[in-house]
Amino acid sequence: GDSVTQMEGPVTLSEEAFLTINCTYTATGYPSLFWYVQYPGEGLQLLLKATKADDKGSNKGFEATYRKETTSFHLEKGSVQVSDSAVYFCALSGRSGNTPLVFGKGTRLSVIA
Amino acid sequence: GAGVSQSPSNKVTEKGKDVELRCDPISGHTALYWYRQRLGQGLEFLIYFQGNSAPDKSGLPSDRFSAERTGESVSTLTIQRTQQEDSAVYLCASSYPGQQGYGYTFGSGTRLTVV
Repeated sequence: GDSVTQMEGPVTLSEEAFLTINCTYTATGYPSLFWYVQYPGEGLQLLLKATKADDKGSNKGFEATYRKETTSFHLEKGSVQVSDSAVYFCALSGRSGNTPLVFGKGTRLSVIA
Repeated sequence: GAGVSQSPSNKVTEKGKDVELRCDPISGHTALYWYRQRLGQGLEFLIYFQGNSAPDKSGLPSDRFSAERTGESVSTLTIQRTQQEDSAVYLCASSYPGQQGYGYTFGSGTRLTVV
């Protein structure tokens, strides 16, 4: 079945450091890909998405490019802030019907001043 | 409402008691999903509704878990004879049908603690 693999955390970075959180997937067909973020004490929020190969999703300085050839959707940010501290989830959805989103296990990011 | 609303936000219950968790989706979102998030873990799919029918119940962990939905509105997740391993945050999400490319809108979750 479909699956998502994320790099394990926690990831601790200093403010203004470069961030990469790796995400690879296994899916039949051409899924849509998502990054969700969960700030402390809050629910999951959609951060960015890409619906086809070579699409780049971006939001709040974060970017991820849908790479079909490597089945990856790595999350990047050039300069992290303390306020980016959260848990980040990579997810995919299949193209057929309303199959539930499949989530990775999440990566906890802590940014220190 | 403007977002997905879940209640209660926190629930502490004694082992063996039944609990009901409620989800109020965004108006017009006919698809509704329940997930469970145990401490330090990822999201575990439980059940999905399209309207008031449940095409996919594959994630319900045992027959102690059940869910229903009234029309295209409120859903209730019921856990009978709660066990300590049921302690988790239960998340509800909703979406338009067939709109996988837009993702889901999640509620803030219900934190269930079984003591």
